[in-house]
Amino acid sequence: ELKVEQNPLFLSMQEGKNYTIYCNYSTTSDRLYWYRQDPGKSLESLFVLLSNGAVKQEGRLMASLDTKARLSTLHITAAVHDLSATYFCAVLVSNFGNEKLTFGTGTRLTIIP
Amino acid sequence: DGGITQSPKYLFRKEGQNVTLSCEQNLNHDAMYWYRQDPGQGLRLIYYSQIVNDFQKGDIAEGYSVSREKKESFPLTVTSAQKNPTAFYLCASSPVDRLDIDTGPSPLHFGNGTRLTVT
Repeated sequence: ELKVEQNPLFLSMQEGKNYTIYCNYSTTSDRLYWYRQDPGKSLESLFVLLSNGAVKQEGRLMASLDTKARLSTLHITAAVHDLSATYFCAVLVSNFGNEKLTFGTGTRLTIIP
Repeated sequence: DGGITQSPKYLFRKEGQNVTLSCEQNLNHDAMYWYRQDPGQGLRLIYYSQIVNDFQKGDIAEGYSVSREKKESFPLTVTSAQKNPTAFYLCASSPVDRLDIDTGPSPLHFGNGTRLTVT
């Protein structure tokens, strides 16, 4: 059974600082996704990572994928308050034509002024 | 505008009653999914469907049922057999072939969720 683990689960950081969220998964995957969720809201897609060494950047967020290590990272640069949210990684596995997306437990990020 | 509509946003039921959550999409997506989210936790897959009239159990299907009679619709019934039904339920959809040459891969598109409270 695929396991997707994120750490840390909770992260408080000051504005202007840098930090990294880690996502480890236990089996070979076709794709990895990062999502953002604001309290009480739905999920917003941030990045899709397809291949080993893939790197995507949008504003102060940068995601990377190492398929050999089964690890993805979400790096936050010079954090601002608007980035406070819960971030999820999700791993896609195809099995005999059925595709299944398994989510990590999420990282609740709080940016402190 | 294309999107996924879940209704209602909030739903209250008494224990022992079945309840059906609606999910409609006009994105022309083949695949649809139901996830459950409990406070402070990630999403867990309940059921998914990649084609009309076919669906598969996810990780926590017990106590739930679905149907996929139309491409646009994937309703979820929470039955009285579900021991802890109070949760936030999210519906999602995606094209089965996620690789679009022009725009790149398409991730899941989520609805705004239904918060179910059973007392």
